Parts: sequence; C-alpha cells; structure tokens
Amino acid sequence: GENVGLHLPTLSVQEGDNSIINCAYSNSASDYFIWYKQESGKGPQFIIDIRSNMDKRQGQRVTVLLNKTVKHLSLQIAATQPGDSAVYFCAENNDNAGNMLTFGGGTRLMVKP
Amino acid sequence: GAVVSQHPSRVICKSGTSVKIECRSLDFQATTMFWYRQFPKQSLMLMATSNEGSKATYEQGVEKDKFLINHASLTLSTLTVTSAHPEDSSFYICSARGTGGLGGYTFGSGTRLTVV
Repeated sequence: GENVGLHLPTLSVQEGDNSIINCAYSNSASDYFIWYKQESGKGPQFIIDIRSNMDKRQGQRVTVLLNKTVKHLSLQIAATQPGDSAVYFCAENNDNAGNMLTFGGGTRLMVKP
Repeated sequence: GAVVSQHPSRVICKSGTSVKIECRSLDFQATTMFWYRQFPKQSLMLMATSNEGSKATYEQGVEKDKFLINHASLTLSTLTVTSAHPEDSSFYICSARGTGGLGGYTFGSGTRLTVV
C-alpha cells in the first residue's frame, strides 16, 4: 500500500445523513488498518482501527468495513454532524513494514447544515 | 490516553537558517518516533523512522543531512531542518509508538513551517 495523494476528493453530505468514505489499498500483506480524522492545521486524530482477521468493527457512530478480497476499506459515519467536517485518511501497516504506517490519499468530508 | 506534544505549532524562518521541531510523548515511553511531511491538500508522507538510541532510517528521497533527527531519549525526538529553503515550507507531523505498540500511533499536533 503506497497510495500517494495528489488531490483530495470531496464528499459532501447533508447534516444527519450517513457518510461513507472509501479507501483502496494495494498491499495484500497489510494486516492492520486505521482511520484518522484531520482538521485543518492539526495532526491526525485516531477514529477507529481494524485488524485483518475481522471484516467489521463498530465504534460510537462509526463503523469500519474491511474487504480483503478486493483490498478495500470503508468508514461509515452515522448521523453526520458539522463537527465531522474534516479530511479523513486511511492508513495501513504490515509486519514486513515494521512499525511504519502508510497513508492513503485522503477524502475531504463537508457537512452541509 | 496517549499524548504527544509537538512544538512549535508554527514557525517562520529565513532562507538558509535552521529550525528545530520537538516531539514529546507525555505519558508513555516512545520507543519509535515517526516524522511526516504534508503538503497542502496532500496526504502524509513518511520522512523517517527513529528508534530510541539508534540512527534514524530515512525514506527514499529524504536527505538525511538536511533533515536531522535525534531520538536520544524515550520521550523526546527532534527534527532539525537545516539550511531551510522555501520549498521546505510544509506541515511537519510527528508520531510516537511505545513498546509493544503502547500508545498506538499517536500523532502530534503538527508544525507549520514557512521559509521566507
């Protein structure tokens, strides 16, 4: 997984709707995935993670789905709120890469009131 | 939870000067620190990985003599941008990880560097 973001796709949703943010990864050896939220001028903030032995994990208002067959990861945010507006990144790790995380290109989520 | 403090949050320096950025783990021992660079509207790009007491491992294309990394203690890592140029202007972010993954991958708040 060495996705390099050269642009930020934008997802615009209405407040209260559900949001789905997608991420494709390329390294089939990746076994640990994390979703981060990054607000303007700040560092990434952990949202939720999932290991490759799972295909779904739920948190508070967020769900991460992992499809290893097609190397796809998604983040679902329920009842999206204005405070959810940010850039969202997926990141992956595998034992062969040591401790390092590789970040995806990111998606900007804009929530319309 | 795990907290990583990064300073300064923003700095403006003149071309040719050096700037030091500090990253501290406040409530856990960071055996590994990561330094990232992020250009506007782009993703985080790993610059280097440092383990406490060892030399940093730099990613391909990152000049180790320009971006000096020191990780002399389990709670502090520094990144020094030497002889800064305008093209070094970017958002620099550190991340720390403790032994056995303690602290997960906790990120600092980032440093906005502007070289004029």
